[in-house]
Amino acid sequence: GAGVSQSPSNKVTEKGKDVELRCDPISGHTALYWYRQSLGQGLEFLIYFQGNSAPDKSGLPSDRFSAERTGGSVSTLTIQRTQQEDSAVYLCASSLGGWGEQYFGPGTRLTVT
Amino acid sequence: GQNIDQPTEMTATEGAIVQINCTYQTSGFNGLFWYQQHAGEAPTFLSYNVLDGLEEKGRFSSFLSRSKGYSYLLLKELQMKDSASYLCAVIAGSARQLTFGSGTQLTVLP
Repeated sequence: GAGVSQSPSNKVTEKGKDVELRCDPISGHTALYWYRQSLGQGLEFLIYFQGNSAPDKSGLPSDRFSAERTGGSVSTLTIQRTQQEDSAVYLCASSLGGWGEQYFGPGTRLTVT
Repeated sequence: GQNIDQPTEMTATEGAIVQINCTYQTSGFNGLFWYQQHAGEAPTFLSYNVLDGLEEKGRFSSFLSRSKGYSYLLLKELQMKDSASYLCAVIAGSARQLTFGSGTQLTVLP
C-alpha cells in the first residue's frame, strides 16, 4: 500500500473487555513499531518488531499488553482487561530497518469507558 | 535513560521565522529526528540529523550539535498551515525505537 494503515480508526470499549488493534506497514518495511500517545503527552514507545520477532518489548506497560506480527507484515496489538488509563491514540510506524526514518499510520483512538 | 526537552508552546506571525529548540541527554546517540504533527493526525517526518551541522530542506532547516546535546528546527516564511506540534525525537544505543520529547505546539498568527 501507499502508507501505513491501521484499523479500527476509533474504538470505544467497556472497562475489562479485550481489544485488538491492527497495523499494516508499508510493503517491504522490515521494522515495525507501536507507540501510544495520551492526551497532552508525548509519544511513548511500546514494542518493536524486526521481521516477526520482537527484540524489544521494554515499553509494554503491563502484561495485559501483547503484540504479534505474522508473515513479516501485519501486526496486532492486544490489550486484555482494558482499563481507563489505556485510553490513548495507538500509533504504528514502519521503517526499512536500521535507524532510518519511521513512517506513521493514522492511529487508533481507543476510549475505555 | 534519555531526557529530551523542548518548549511546550510558541507563537509566531505569518511570514516570520521561528526557531524551535531541543536539548537531549542520552548515551550512545545515533541520530535526531524532527516530526510535524497536526491535531488528530499522524506525525510526519521533517528531518534527520546524524552529524553536526545544518540540514536545509526548503523552508525547514534542522541543526545538530552532538557535543552540546542540542538541536533546533528553523521554519522560514511561516504559513498558517505550519501551526502544529513539532516533535523532537532521539534514537540511541542499540535501540531502534524513537524517544520523543513532549512536543512544541506552534501557533502561527495572521
